[in-house]
Amino acid sequence: AQSVTQPDIHITVSEGASLELRCNYSYGATPYLFWYVQSPGQGLQLLLKYFSGDTLVQGIKGFEAEFKRSQSSFNLRKPSVHWSDAAEYFCAVASLKAAGNKLTFGGGTRVLVKP
Amino acid sequence: DAGVTQSPTHLIKTRGQQVTLRCSPKSGHDTVSWYQQALGQGPQFIFQYYEEEERQRGNFPDRFSGHQFPNYSSELNVNALLLGDSALYLCASSLAGAPFFGPGTRLTVL
Repeated sequence: AQSVTQPDIHITVSEGASLELRCNYSYGATPYLFWYVQSPGQGLQLLLKYFSGDTLVQGIKGFEAEFKRSQSSFNLRKPSVHWSDAAEYFCAVASLKAAGNKLTFGGGTRVLVKP
Repeated sequence: DAGVTQSPTHLIKTRGQQVTLRCSPKSGHDTVSWYQQALGQGPQFIFQYYEEEERQRGNFPDRFSGHQFPNYSSELNVNALLLGDSALYLCASSLAGAPFFGPGTRLTVL
């Protein structure tokens, strides 16, 4: 069975500093990986996805993520954090690329941004 | 494009009651999935509908059922509500690739 672990429950970062959120997955075949962001009381917004090809993926809002098969990781990064990046971030894995995606989510990492 | 829409936004029910939540997928999307997100946790997959049939199901009891209509919209029904059913219920639609999520319905069971 596939699973996702986000080791950090909370991260506090200063505005303008860099951010890295960790994600480790367990899946037997080639995974399809996603990062979503959720603002308080809101649904999930897709930041980026990895299906195949280049292991460094660019997303919206200046985020990027790197797929490392040897480490079973898909960490999310942003070079300079803005106050509006305060939110909860979820990593997810799926087994199918087509419309039959069933996402398995990690527990999330809550990001707080200090002025 | 309105994206994925869900109704109602909030709902309060008492134990033992039944509830129906509704979802309209993003234009052009034919697959709808439902997720339950308890407070402080990641979303959990309930089931997925495609061509008006349940295609996949997560580890949820039969009290959770659904339906997809010819226009691809979907309903989630929960019978005999328990306190533990209190959560944010998220609908996601897709055609191919990454699912797009709606804003969710916040269900509170008293």
